[in-house]
Amino acid sequence: AAGVIQSPRHLIKEKRETATLKCYPIPRHDTVYWYQQGPGQDPQFLISFYEKMQSDKGSIPDRFSAQQFSDYHSELNMSSLELGDSALYFCASRPPPPSTQYFGPGTRLTVL
Amino acid sequence: AQKVTQAQTEISVVEKEDVTLDCVYETRDTTYYLFWYKQPPSGELVFLIRRNSFDEQNEISGRYSWNFQKSTSSFNFTITASQVVDSAVYFCALSDPTNFGNEKLTFGTGTRLTIIP
Repeated sequence: AAGVIQSPRHLIKEKRETATLKCYPIPRHDTVYWYQQGPGQDPQFLISFYEKMQSDKGSIPDRFSAQQFSDYHSELNMSSLELGDSALYFCASRPPPPSTQYFGPGTRLTVL
Repeated sequence: AQKVTQAQTEISVVEKEDVTLDCVYETRDTTYYLFWYKQPPSGELVFLIRRNSFDEQNEISGRYSWNFQKSTSSFNFTITASQVVDSAVYFCALSDPTNFGNEKLTFGTGTRLTIIP
């Protein structure tokens, strides 16, 4: 079965650089979520999109932005990267409710 | 606000022993979903189970079983005859399905389970 695809899987950036993470949801899933998981921590909700519109926002820094495109894929844009942004970033997708969020493999971002 | 508590930070058991992971949640919603996810050392989050707040039936899937008790706001997870491959961090999570399009997950802090061969 198709799963959520995230790219890249690993990313190394320098402080103050920018990064773009991509997420391709499972076909026919209309909602995408982004989560950030710091080392040894639980995943924290960042932002979600339903039918290409932002549906909710969590603890996402102003330096981050995201959008969902017409083909339902989503991109998380991160600017002025800081050391504390080093984390595993998960994308999850979900079909129309009631339903389960299925997670991608994550993008491991390291900021040096 | 929603909250999920996994009081057990780390558990180690010898292979073939049974182990129970505890999860206690707080929510003011009457309708909600509870989840368990497994995060093996490779890092991905693997969905294990979803339980509707109106369905208090316990569930068994192979060596896994879940005990949902609304009266104590608990959703515990038991692994029977544990195996080394069960070693992972296990997260309990809570969502609010009535807020359409806004069903973010609130995770507990996770329990790191180590199965000793």
